[in-house]
Parts: sequence; structure tokens; C-alpha cells
Amino acid sequence: QVQLVESGGGVVQPGKSLRLSCAASGFTFSSYGIHWVRQAPGKGLEWVAIISFDGSNKYYEDSVKGRFTISRDNSKNTLYLQMNSLRVEDTAVYYCAKEAANEDWYFDLWGRGTLVTVSS
Amino acid sequence: SYVLTQPPSVSVAPGQTARITCGGNNIGSKSVHWYQQKPGQAPVLVVYDDSDRPSGIPDRFSGSNSGNTATLTISRVEAGDEADYYCQVWDSSSDHVVFGGGTKLTVL
Repeated sequence: QVQLVESGGGVVQPGKSLRLSCAASGFTFSSYGIHWVRQAPGKGLEWVAIISFDGSNKYYEDSVKGRFTISRDNSKNTLYLQMNSLRVEDTAVYYCAKEAANEDWYFDLWGRGTLVTVSS
Repeated sequence: SYVLTQPPSVSVAPGQTARITCGGNNIGSKSVHWYQQKPGQAPVLVVYDDSDRPSGIPDRFSGSNSGNTATLTISRVEAGDEADYYCQVWDSSSDHVVFGGGTKLTVL
């Protein structure tokens, strides 16, 4: 079925690294831009990053630029988020979300999310 | 950076109409999208491109966008509509997706 499944979350100390994955199925993964969106506990949605369908374009929210790297492997139908130099304020549920159509800039499919907790 | 402003909460009685606003500078020139999020669940798209509905979304959900305000309207509100609602745009000047702060809809 059509779905996105995130994994890789957990508890990590400040300054450490973590890599999240998002496995896609049921649609042609290589045809769509995919985003990471996060939600801190009890807070609203915050966009993190986007990668274009072919990986040629990437954009980041300002607070993660230089620390987080978005990438994808279209042969494995998988999206990644490499998170380095993690901060307490990065604690959140991280969702991957699919664009409805290439560069349509809204999301018609979301994963269930994976929780990242940054704490000493 | 572009900012979207939503009221923190809206309350409405069952059967009445709820209107949730999303304010932004000249937002009428952008395409606005709306998501519903229930506790413990991922967001769900309920309106896209200002006023279009994805398949499976009841026609009780509608949207409009003009000037500096976009509005999500939920007619004949039901208890199951109680949720957080977020507006969202693409800011082409910064190449960023922007979300509003969210509005908690309470059905009295």
C-alpha cells in the first residue's frame, strides 16, 4: 500500500549525531520531492528540509542548515536525514512527507513519524 | 522570512460553522494548504491550493484566500472534527515551506 515509514529515532546526547530513514512504498518514489517536517512535544509543525525528486535540489530551515543533511537513494526508495551537532531544541517527532506532485509544495502523504530526543 | 498567523483556538457548537483564519502578507498571491492533525496522529491534508479538497475529504471543508487572509471553513461541525489545524504555504523568496502556528478546534 501507499505509505511512508520513518525509523532511526531515539535518545541521543547533545552534540551527537543520528540518521533518520524514511522508507517509501506503493508509489513511484523517484518522481516526487520529499520533505522532513518536525513537531516538538506539544508544539506546532515545523518544516525542516526538502529534496527534489532526483536529489539535485535541497533546501533547509535556517536553524538546521549546516548541521542536517537530507539525501535519498531512489534505488532503495528511501529518504534520509543525517543530523549532526544535535541540540536539545531538536527534540521532536520527525515526519517525512511526500509532495502531491513534483514541486506542488504541499503534502498528500505523511509517515507516522519517529521521535528524536536530545538529552544529556 | 514569511510568517503565517493563526488564532490559537476556535470553539464551535456541533452543527455550526467554524472559520479558522491564516494571516500573512499578501497571502492572496500564494497557494494555501490546510492540514488536520488529531492527537497522536500524522497531519492529513484537508484543503489544497486555497480551496480544493483531496478525495475522501467531506465537502463540509472548504477554503478561501484573498488579500492578507486565508480561511478554512468547516460547515456542520461534528465532534470528530475536533483537532489542530495548520495552514501552509511555499515561500518562493526563501525556498522554504512555512506553517502557521496551528489552531486548536474545540467542539463544545
